[in-house]
Amino acid sequence: GENVEQHPSTLSVQEGDSAVIKCTYSDSASNYFPWYKQELGKGPQLIIDIRSNVGEKKDQRIAVTLNKTAKHFSLHITETQPEDSAVYFCAASSGSARQLTFGSGTQLTVLP
Amino acid sequence: DAGVIQSPRHEVTEMGQEVTLRCKPISGHDYLFWYRQTMMRGLELLIYFNNNVPIDDSGMPEDRFSAKMPNASFSTLKIQPSEPRDSAVYFCASRAAVGGREKLFFGSGTQLSVL
Repeated sequence: GENVEQHPSTLSVQEGDSAVIKCTYSDSASNYFPWYKQELGKGPQLIIDIRSNVGEKKDQRIAVTLNKTAKHFSLHITETQPEDSAVYFCAASSGSARQLTFGSGTQLTVLP
Repeated sequence: DAGVIQSPRHEVTEMGQEVTLRCKPISGHDYLFWYRQTMMRGLELLIYFNNNVPIDDSGMPEDRFSAKMPNASFSTLKIQPSEPRDSAVYFCASRAAVGGREKLFFGSGTQLSVL
């Protein structure tokens, strides 16, 4: 089955700086890569996603890049703000139902 | 739409007791997933349904776990008997069918504590 590895497990940045989280996947058939943000006491929420026919996607301060050859994708957050502090999960979609396999998560802390 | 609705939000029970977690998916979604989240293992897929039919339950840890989806708007995850190692947050999630509509929506989860 699919295996998704995520790094780093924790990340602290100063407010205004950029944050980058990286993931690798194992199944070359995976073609959909979402990122979820989980705030304390809540369920994960989709913040951005990318399909395998696209190399990069941006949404305001958030961007995701995908390298299919190397099987890795990354989340970039620019001009970080304290409200960006949360756990971020990457995921890859595979299998007959395109079910998601999640990475282990990154605890992002934005220091004021 | 109110999103995916789970109940209860918190459940505290004693070892050996039966626990039932409930989920109402988003109307019109064909797929329903049950995940378990722990510090050690992260987000694990337990089971998923397509059009109310269980498709893959290979993630269910033991026979003590069972899940049903009697209709398109309701699913349950039951643990009987419960054990302390079952303590975790259990999430239900739903989405539309494949073909470009793979966005998965999560409920707020049920925090289960087995004493």
